[in-house]
Formats: sequence, structure tokens, C-alpha cells
Amino acid sequence: GAGVSQSPSNKVTEKGKDVELRCDPISGHTALYWYRQSLGQGLEFLIYFQGNSAPDKSGLPSDRFSAERTGGSVSTLTIQRTQQEDSAVYLCASSPQAITSSYNEQFFGPGTRLTVL
Amino acid sequence: AQSVTQLGSHVSVSEGALVLLRCNYSSSVPPYLFWYVQYPNQGLQLLLKYTSAATLVKGINGFEAEFKKSETSFHLTKPSAHMSDAAEYFCAVSEPGGYQKVTFGIGTKLQVIP
Repeated sequence: GAGVSQSPSNKVTEKGKDVELRCDPISGHTALYWYRQSLGQGLEFLIYFQGNSAPDKSGLPSDRFSAERTGGSVSTLTIQRTQQEDSAVYLCASSPQAITSSYNEQFFGPGTRLTVL
Repeated sequence: AQSVTQLGSHVSVSEGALVLLRCNYSSSVPPYLFWYVQYPNQGLQLLLKYTSAATLVKGINGFEAEFKKSETSFHLTKPSAHMSDAAEYFCAVSEPGGYQKVTFGIGTKLQVIP
């Protein structure tokens, strides 16, 4: 596709359930980011993938959060035992990420709105 | 460590009036600065960026921002607001380099009153 896509667009789940959120980056983009957008909190960095390097997981808020990126393309963000405070919009972004470049624009998907009841 | 402060989580302007969205940053190195716009139910879209070239940066839809090092500011302006400008605007900062970990502000929702 032409842009970053995310699925589902909306997810409603019950407290304690696990959820999986999917991100399809732009073809050829080697970098992929996950962010969480909560009301009044801006965008919170969660995790960053770059090619075959070990991901930067420094933004994951707890061990209930994990992410993987298969084949350097599609990524899945998994939240286990969801809590009400996990309710937010989860945004994915990809970037061409040429290491030799001084700047690499991030292209964002439309997000997944997660509601934990 | 880098950070961004956006003054005013909500700003209302009349159609045709000046738009001014404030952003101040903190960075230990010369920063790269960005403004992103998020229209309802859409992802973020880059509006403009400062990457150490000209301090006055022009973006899409008539927006511009000026990097002022002495004031550590990167305010976003547009001379005349249009109804279609109603959206949420995010200021962001990163350090130069191939891997930019970007820090975003909390966002400012712009309302345009007819």
C-alpha cells in the first residue's frame, strides 16, 4: 500500500484479556516505531525496530507489553492482561532510516484505538 | 535529555485570524525540530521541520515556524486561519543522526471559529 496501515482501527476488550495490534509499514522502510497517544499526554515512545538490530524497548511501560517484527516488515504489539490504563490510541510509524542520512522522516499510520472496559 | 513544552492544550481563533501555536524545547545538543498535524481519525502528518538550515521554515498549508535559539522556541504560525486548519498540532524534538528518537509535546488542539 501507499502508506502505513494498522489493524484493527478500533479494539474494545475486557480487563485482563490479551490484545494484538498490527502494523504494516511502508514497503522498503527499515525502521518501525510504536507510540501510545493518551489524552493530554502527547505521544509516548514505546519501541523502535531497525533492520536486524536488537529493538530499542526502552519505552515499554511494563512487562505486559511486547512487540515483534517478522521478516523486517509487519510488526505486532501485544498487551497481556490489559488494564484500564492501557486505553489509548496506539500509533505505528515507519521510516526509510538511512543511517548515513542526517534526517529520516517518520510516516504514521492512522492508529488503533484501544478501549479496555 | 530532550523535551518539548507546548503552551496551551486548546487554542481557538476566528477564521481569517492569525494562528500562533507555541513550542519551547530543551536539548543538550543542537536539535532538530518538527511540527506534526493530526486531523480527526487520522495519523500524524509532518507539517514542517527544522534541521539546522534556514531558521524560518515554511511548511504545507501556509504554515511556517521560526527557530529561535536564544528563546529555545519553535512557534508555529499562519497569517490567516482556515476552517480546514482545525486539528491537533504536535511539536517534536530530536537529536541529529541516523536514528532519531523523537520526543513529542502533549499537543495543541486548534479550533477555528467561523
